[in-house]
Amino acid sequence: QVQLVESGGGVVQPGRSLRLSCAASGFTFSSYGMHWVRQAPGKGLEWVAVISYDGSNKYYADSVKGRFTISRDNSKNTLFLQVNSLRAEDTAVYYCAKEWSGSPDSWGQGTLVTVSS
Amino acid sequence: NFMLTQPHSVSESPGKTVTISCTRSSGSIASNYVQWYQQRPGSSPTTVIYEDNQRPSGVPDRFSGSIDSSSNSASLTISGLKTEDEADYYCQSYDSSTAVVFGGGTKLTVL
Repeated sequence: QVQLVESGGGVVQPGRSLRLSCAASGFTFSSYGMHWVRQAPGKGLEWVAVISYDGSNKYYADSVKGRFTISRDNSKNTLFLQVNSLRAEDTAVYYCAKEWSGSPDSWGQGTLVTVSS
Repeated sequence: NFMLTQPHSVSESPGKTVTISCTRSSGSIASNYVQWYQQRPGSSPTTVIYEDNQRPSGVPDRFSGSIDSSSNSASLTISGLKTEDEADYYCQSYDSSTAVVFGGGTKLTVL
């Protein structure tokens, strides 16, 4: 069965950086696109970024473009999200999700990023 | 980009049927698949409908999805409501630039 385990979240000061990871198992990671989706406390889901199965195509939400970078290491079955220049409004649970037919399908349990001074 | 608009909340009694709507602001609802996710309190989202009307294995057939081009909307219908269906439900689609769009979510109360 699909298993996605996010890590790397924590409390960080505004303007600082973090690298989130998502360890995948239970499926052929290198065959699927992957998404990052976030959810601010008490709010709805917000799509962040997607990367194609081979890493050649990447797309971002306007709210994070230029600050966040999605990447993957297919040899290690791991997805990454480099988050730079963090703002208070980036405080959220960050989920990774396996793609199916262009959309998030199976989701991880999430990792909480709190941006606070 | 377009927006997907859902009612903020709906409520219904156990055993009844409820329908949650998701209206696309621009462009045709039929031009890209719609997915529906269930998120129980404290849990990650799970897919209950994909590709407009397909159910993943393990999702009961009480859950069904449809699209209506005349109202440019998608709907999630849950029949035979159970207390365990109480959750937030999100619709989702994507645009031509492959940006993923979520609706604002609907809180379903089963009382």
